[in-house]
Amino acid sequence: QKEVEQNSGPLSVPEGAIASLNCTYSDRGSQSFFWYRQYSGKSPELIMSIYSNGDKEDGRFTAQLNKASQYVSLLIRDSQPSDSATYLCAVNSGGTGGFKTIFGAGTRLFVKA
Amino acid sequence: GAVVSQHPSWVICKSGTSVKIECRSLDFQATTMFWYRQFPKQSLMLMATSNEGSKATYEQGVEKDKFLINHASLTLSTLTVTSAHPEDSSFYICSPRTTQETQYFGPGTRLLVL
Repeated sequence: QKEVEQNSGPLSVPEGAIASLNCTYSDRGSQSFFWYRQYSGKSPELIMSIYSNGDKEDGRFTAQLNKASQYVSLLIRDSQPSDSATYLCAVNSGGTGGFKTIFGAGTRLFVKA
Repeated sequence: GAVVSQHPSWVICKSGTSVKIECRSLDFQATTMFWYRQFPKQSLMLMATSNEGSKATYEQGVEKDKFLINHASLTLSTLTVTSAHPEDSSFYICSPRTTQETQYFGPGTRLLVL
């Protein structure tokens, strides 16, 4: 069973701090990794994708990938109350029938003003 | 880019009626479409996967005769909830996948069955 694990939280950080969200995955052959943000009552929206080891930065967001450790993280700098949401880690996993995106259960982030 | 529309955004219906939900990828072609259901405060639950022109593959526990999926073109897929009952009340979300293996999500359809 291919899995993606996330701490459910809630993770609470003060406004302006760095929020660090972590994710581990079980399929060593995975090649594509994604972070989605889901506000309460809304559908998920894609915020970052990463395909190779290292860091990828986009504005206040940095995704980090370590394939050897099967670990993906998302850092949010200068956290704002509007960043309060559930963050879903997703991993593309291959197998019979083609790729399937496996989602973690999500980490709830709460940014205190 | 990657705009996905879903219609209707919310629907209230009587028990026993059927509801059709449309999902369109407006600026890309989706060779694969995923349909999810999400109950309040719970995780996304994958219901089925469909490839354009093929029959959908349903996850264990999802009744294929109750949740009819049609993926007739690379930009349109529909989910029909047949003979809906109150336990089918949920948030239904389509998720087209691009040829580059990236999944996007529609805005969702909130279904309330009375």
